[in-house]
Amino acid sequence: GAVVSQHPSWVICKSGTSVKIECRSLDFQATTMFWYRQFPKQSLMLMATSNEGSKATYEQGVEKDKFLINHASLTLSTLTVTSAHPEDSSFYICSALPPSGGSNTDTQYFGPGTRLTVL
Amino acid sequence: DAKTTQPTSMDCAEGRAANLPCNHSTISGNEYVYWYRQIHSQGPQYIIHGLKNNETNEMASLIITEDRKSSTLILPHATLRDTAVYYCIVSHNTDKLIFGTGTRLQVFP
Repeated sequence: GAVVSQHPSWVICKSGTSVKIECRSLDFQATTMFWYRQFPKQSLMLMATSNEGSKATYEQGVEKDKFLINHASLTLSTLTVTSAHPEDSSFYICSALPPSGGSNTDTQYFGPGTRLTVL
Repeated sequence: DAKTTQPTSMDCAEGRAANLPCNHSTISGNEYVYWYRQIHSQGPQYIIHGLKNNETNEMASLIITEDRKSSTLILPHATLRDTAVYYCIVSHNTDKLIFGTGTRLQVFP
């Protein structure tokens, strides 16, 4: 149980275009999902916390108008990188938090990541 | 949340136990110790977590010192597939996990 998927697994786009990344919890409902970014040879950096039905909470230094997050259902959160530029090239990873009261309530479960390359 | 300190890298022979240390001397009473690992180009994988008692699951054992200022993750019989970056994270809850630089474990034949 507690499987999280991401789509696409990799994407290449031109500078100035927008890219949408999906994060799905496959076998549980997640009221909270998280988005991370990881540059080569660096650790994961939390970008934002996505709550179903409400606005996302962004970490300091993350532009909310550039990284649009939508958590419209209990199993899907999307991250849209708007007007992407080469410096946005990175590994984007989401995670989901199972609801309290279940057997897997004590930890986040991560997706496989999406590698974005902006040319 | 408390900060953690881990060695940058470690080696382990296949079949032997891998013992990965983590210092968290500023941990507070209600903070948990979480361990995740990340295999190259994949998302992190949850391993184990604990508050003050030692914990064991099918993947690993977590030994937390009595003063809770340090812990050790034990992979009892390391395999080549255990080669990964291992992250020790201290947090009040699982809502906010701050990843440090982790320990790069290399398992060799």
